[in-house]
Amino acid sequence: IAGITQAPTSQILAAGRRMTLRCTQDMRHNAMYWYRQDLGLGLRLIHYSNTAGTTGKGEVPDGYSVSRANTDDFPLTLASAVPSQTSVYFCASSATDRDEQYFGPGTRLTVT
Amino acid sequence: AQKVTQAQTEISVVEKEDVTLDCVYETRDTTYYLFWYKQPPSGELVFLIRRNSFDEQNEISGRYSWNFQKSTSSFNFTITASQVVDSAVYFCAPVSGGYNKLIFGAGTRLAVHP
Repeated sequence: IAGITQAPTSQILAAGRRMTLRCTQDMRHNAMYWYRQDLGLGLRLIHYSNTAGTTGKGEVPDGYSVSRANTDDFPLTLASAVPSQTSVYFCASSATDRDEQYFGPGTRLTVT
Repeated sequence: AQKVTQAQTEISVVEKEDVTLDCVYETRDTTYYLFWYKQPPSGELVFLIRRNSFDEQNEISGRYSWNFQKSTSSFNFTITASQVVDSAVYFCAPVSGGYNKLIFGAGTRLAVHP
């Protein structure tokens, strides 16, 4: 069982380019999340989805979009990347919205 | 507004020492959940424990123990007989009411030296 996989592991991206970070879980969890972690800081929630077909905004949603077409996948899209979006991005999932969240290995994104 | 504070930025101990990591969660909510996560140098986030605000019983799991006091909004984490493998950043992360939005503290970096 893989748990949560994220792709790519790392990416260097030119400013203005579009990028989709992929996240897949095989635990049949209802809820999924995207966080960003900046150097020396805790994680901040970008977007979340409590169940397939629904999404919600977190603390720092601007510049990002998500979709939840099915239970397993929760891609995060940067429509036009900016240097301030340089960060490590973590995807997470939980069985329900009140359960502990399990995290993927992260994607390190550098926007130049 | 909700606020989570991990006042200790860094802690350095020698192996076998006990160490307590502090977390204070300020909220007007009467019901909430609290989580602790560990982030070792490899970068992944590891779930450690979840507690409910209505359960103030201390919990012990091996060398780890958690003390939750609702009256002071503190949710402290103690490692007994620390080991080098405990070296990591530890995050306290509350979530309130019906929302599943974790509020991460800034983290406490623990360094355990041999």
